[in-house]
Amino acid sequence: GDSVTQMEGPVTLSEEAFLTINCTYTATGYPSLFWYVQYPGEGLQLLLKATKADDKGSNKGFEATYRKETTSFHLEKGSVQVSDSAVYFCARSNSGNTPLVFGKGTRLSVIA
Amino acid sequence: GAVVSQHPSRVICKSGTSVKIECRSLDFQATTMFWYRQFPKQSLMLMATSNEGSKATYEQGVEKDKFLINHASLTLSTLTVTSAHPEDSSFYICSARDVAQIGQYFGPGTRLTVL
Repeated sequence: GDSVTQMEGPVTLSEEAFLTINCTYTATGYPSLFWYVQYPGEGLQLLLKATKADDKGSNKGFEATYRKETTSFHLEKGSVQVSDSAVYFCARSNSGNTPLVFGKGTRLSVIA
Repeated sequence: GAVVSQHPSRVICKSGTSVKIECRSLDFQATTMFWYRQFPKQSLMLMATSNEGSKATYEQGVEKDKFLINHASLTLSTLTVTSAHPEDSSFYICSARDVAQIGQYFGPGTRLTVL
């Protein structure tokens, strides 16, 4: 079935370090791909999305490119801040009213 | 745009009582809403898919009679945890899909604590 695999955390980085969180998906159909962020004690917020191959989603300095050839959607940020500390979820969705399929989440801690 | 609210944000109840959680799409119509449960430091577990005007579709292992879902309008879905027990304590999150867009928009979650 459809699934999403993302790197296990926790990930601890110093402020201004480069961030990569890997995400791969099963290659069934033509899914849309998403990154969601969950700050402590809050619900999920959509961070960015890409709906077709080679699309690049970007927001708040984060980027992810839909790579069909490697079935990947890795999240990157050039310089993280303490305020980026959160749990990041990669997700996929097929068309219609099917629910999102989430990865297990990656906890990021950025220290000053 | 695409704001989803949940009420209450926190609730504490006694074992054996029922608790209702509301999920509203504030500025769009949602024909489909989803209910998730999240345990501490874990990912979201889909409980059920709620379609406006029809019965919810529950995921395997989720008790229909315990977690009652009603989607009476295009902007409101409710989850009622009946005869709650301490093991039902969790973070419950709803999401709504606007059929005109891709993706889902999440509510802020409801933390349920059953004593």
